[in-house]
Amino acid sequence: DAGITQSPRHKVTETGTPVTLRCHQTENHRYMYWYRQDPGHGLRLIHYSYGVKDTDKGEVSDGYSVSRSKTEDFLLTLESATSSQTSVYFCAISGPGNQPQHFGDGTRLSIL
Amino acid sequence: GQQLNQSPQSMFIQEGEDVSMNCTSSSIFNTWLWYKQDPGEGPVLLIALYKAGELTSNGRLTAQFGITRKDSFLNISASIPSDVGIYFCAGPLSGTYKYIFGTGTRLKVLA
Repeated sequence: DAGITQSPRHKVTETGTPVTLRCHQTENHRYMYWYRQDPGHGLRLIHYSYGVKDTDKGEVSDGYSVSRSKTEDFLLTLESATSSQTSVYFCAISGPGNQPQHFGDGTRLSIL
Repeated sequence: GQQLNQSPQSMFIQEGEDVSMNCTSSSIFNTWLWYKQDPGEGPVLLIALYKAGELTSNGRLTAQFGITRKDSFLNISASIPSDVGIYFCAGPLSGTYKYIFGTGTRLKVLA
């Protein structure tokens, strides 16, 4: 198994509260990604990182921010959670070139 | 934007049957990936394809990189109950390290 740990695995929170999800890797991979998965939409990219302090937006980045202060950690923050952000969030990592992505086990986030 | 279309969206098959699914794109891909996702878990890489025409196997699974580079196929031979899950194709957007994913094929195996 790729060394990827997502925390928390489950979270329930209220609309308007800030939420931070953490992805930790032990593979020293350069690229890290955050996806959300919703029924009928498959996996959609929120943000990704191509190095420490280097990040870029994906297709559904509105309402989300990310930070990567060190290689092993990639944080996803919902500044003010909304019910539409209820989803399962996956982190993925990959090495350079066209190396495939490997996924964590996900965080199930419910916003009431 | 680029999209990946998977078909079928879902399928029920009898144990022991062979399964075929495909993934098509309006754009050329240089890499095709196939993943399987079990309930409550993240997608797991099954097969990676890097060359047009390439045929690669992983146990009972065989995947092919289409000659046109706009499609890929996954076959599962002699299906078993643990093959149940959602199968995703994926490929990198050209010139980026971002990947797009198909919406998945949900496979259910009847014992």
